[in-house]
Amino acid sequence: DIQMTQSPSFLSASVGDRVTINCKASQNINKYLNWYQQKLGEAPKRLIYNTNNLQTGIPSRFSGSGSGTDYTLTISSLQPEDFATYFCLQHNSFRTFGGGTKLELK
Amino acid sequence: EVQILETGGGLVKPGGSLRLSCATSGFNFNDYFMNWVRQAPGKGLEWVAQIRNKNYNYATYYAESLEGRVTISRDDSKSSVYLQVSSLRAEDTAIYYCTSGSSFAYWGQGTLVTVSS
Repeated sequence: DIQMTQSPSFLSASVGDRVTINCKASQNINKYLNWYQQKLGEAPKRLIYNTNNLQTGIPSRFSGSGSGTDYTLTISSLQPEDFATYFCLQHNSFRTFGGGTKLELK
Repeated sequence: EVQILETGGGLVKPGGSLRLSCATSGFNFNDYFMNWVRQAPGKGLEWVAQIRNKNYNYATYYAESLEGRVTISRDDSKSSVYLQVSSLRAEDTAIYYCTSGSSFAYWGQGTLVTVSS
């Protein structure tokens, strides 16, 4: 099974900051990597699919990059509504989620 | 607009069983793989099961941790997918989400399953 290691687990930042969240796969996942945002009490929402494709309706301040085993979600300028938990998902072989990153207001 | 609605959660005693349902609309259900994902209180997400579409002979796949205790099924005529969970344990307490597609594009709001005596 493919393991996904997401870092950091917690991140404190301010409005306007640029932040990055990382996911490392235990083997090559061929860019089959999605990013989700989840707010308290809500279902996850897909932000990015297949590494760098922005889901319709998601602001362009969200972007993804990576290849092989290493992937990154970048939020270029944090907005108040971005404070949430973020998960990655590999869908190259079965499905495995990263452990999540809780993004908090500093 | 895509809509996904899970039902069937509730309080179940250890050892009991439950059947969760997921009704969908707003997309061509027959074309899509469907999945169940769960999230224990305060924890991360765990993929549970997938059922493929008719073109893939409705093939099913399960997380190793649950295999043997869960069965996923679908009814294309009702645009619905189901999850039967048996021999429930306290650690199965979670919100169970239904998600669409091979890579989980859309999610329902989830249904809470609580396993407790």
